[in-house]
Amino acid sequence: AIWMTQSPSLLSASTGDRVTISCRMSQGISSYLAWYQQKPGKAPELLIYAASTLQSGVPSRFSGSGSGTDFTLTISCLQSEDFATYYCQQYYSFPWTFGQGTKVEIK
Amino acid sequence: EVQLVESGGGLIQPGGSLRLSCAASGFTVSSNYMSWVRQAPGKGLEWVSVIYSGGSTYYADSVKGRFTISRDNSKNTLYLQMNSLRAEDTAVYYCARGVLYGPPFDPWGQGTLVTVSS
Repeated sequence: AIWMTQSPSLLSASTGDRVTISCRMSQGISSYLAWYQQKPGKAPELLIYAASTLQSGVPSRFSGSGSGTDFTLTISCLQSEDFATYYCQQYYSFPWTFGQGTKVEIK
Repeated sequence: EVQLVESGGGLIQPGGSLRLSCAASGFTVSSNYMSWVRQAPGKGLEWVSVIYSGGSTYYADSVKGRFTISRDNSKNTLYLQMNSLRAEDTAVYYCARGVLYGPPFDPWGQGTLVTVSS
């Protein structure tokens, strides 16, 4: 199985900040990586797939980068509705796996 | 509108069985790949199973041999048959659509809670 290390687990930030979340793989996965946002009591929502493709309807302040083993989600200007938990996910090989999650909280 | 609605969750004793359903609208289940993902209370996301349009299925090691994913094309519905349930299977179960060479899990259903307890 591919192990994923997502960091940080908790990120305190203010509205307007630029934030980055990292996801590192135990082996290369090309660009088979997605990012999701989850708010309390709600289902996750897809933000980015194929490492850097923005899902339709997702604001352009979200961006993804990386390939191989190191990936990053960036929120360029944090908005109030962005305070949530974020997960990375690899779909390169079975079992598909998720990162441990990063909770973005208000500073 | 593309939509997924899960049902079938509930309280079940250890060792029992339960079948979850995921009714799809706005697209054809058999033309996409469909997955189940679960989330234990207060924990992260765990992929459970996938069924491809051609019928191939894959499972997480934690459920292999106990869970079976299937679909009914006439009802445009995805299922998860869960047998030999354990306390550690307690979670919210989500179904999600995947598009080959496209987004892997989008959209998601609202989830259905399965509680395994005596």
